[in-house]
Amino acid sequence: NAGVTQTPKFQVLKTGQSMTLQCAQDMNHNSMYWYRQDPGMGLRLIYYSASEGTTDKGEVPNGYNVSRLNKREFSLRLESAAPSQTSVYFCASSEALGWAEAFFGQGTRLTVV
Amino acid sequence: GDSVTQMEGPVTLSEEAFLTINCTYTATGYPSLFWYVQYPGEGLQLLLKATKADDKGSNKGFEATYRKETTSFHLEKGSVQVSDSAVYFCALISSNDYKLSFGAGTTVTVRA
Repeated sequence: NAGVTQTPKFQVLKTGQSMTLQCAQDMNHNSMYWYRQDPGMGLRLIYYSASEGTTDKGEVPNGYNVSRLNKREFSLRLESAAPSQTSVYFCASSEALGWAEAFFGQGTRLTVV
Repeated sequence: GDSVTQMEGPVTLSEEAFLTINCTYTATGYPSLFWYVQYPGEGLQLLLKATKADDKGSNKGFEATYRKETTSFHLEKGSVQVSDSAVYFCALISSNDYKLSFGAGTTVTVRA
């Protein structure tokens, strides 16, 4: 049972480059999320998708875009990477928005130089 | 908006010591409260939860009680093991917008 799978696990980008972080869940969950984790700041919500076909901004959406490709997949795109986007990114899913338990992927460690 | 504040770490303990991690929250409604744990190199996983005042969540020897009068949800374990070394996050789901918000995390290291 894979749960939430994120790719890649590690990535180094140069300033200005673009990339897409992929996320897929196999639990038939309706809601999916992207968080970033920075030292001393916990996890901050970037974007979320309450259900297939919808996406909404979270706490720190600037510099990112998302696509809910289908019920399983939710991608995060950095159009022009900046050093301030160096972080660990986590994708998560839950049965519904506000559902008690969210399941997390293993994270993507992104460094922008 | 609703938020949580938890004690800063890092916390270093010896095996079998008592662990407390303080967490307080600010909310306009009636949030649900959670503790998540992140083991090295892994994503977060739910440790325990409480959905209303005076509820006690428990799992793996950890406990936390939802205290509305003090707006707190402190995590405790009576006797920690090396395997409890991890980062612990207090979190809430707001009753206003149903989004999951996290505290800054507390790194706990247990030495044999």
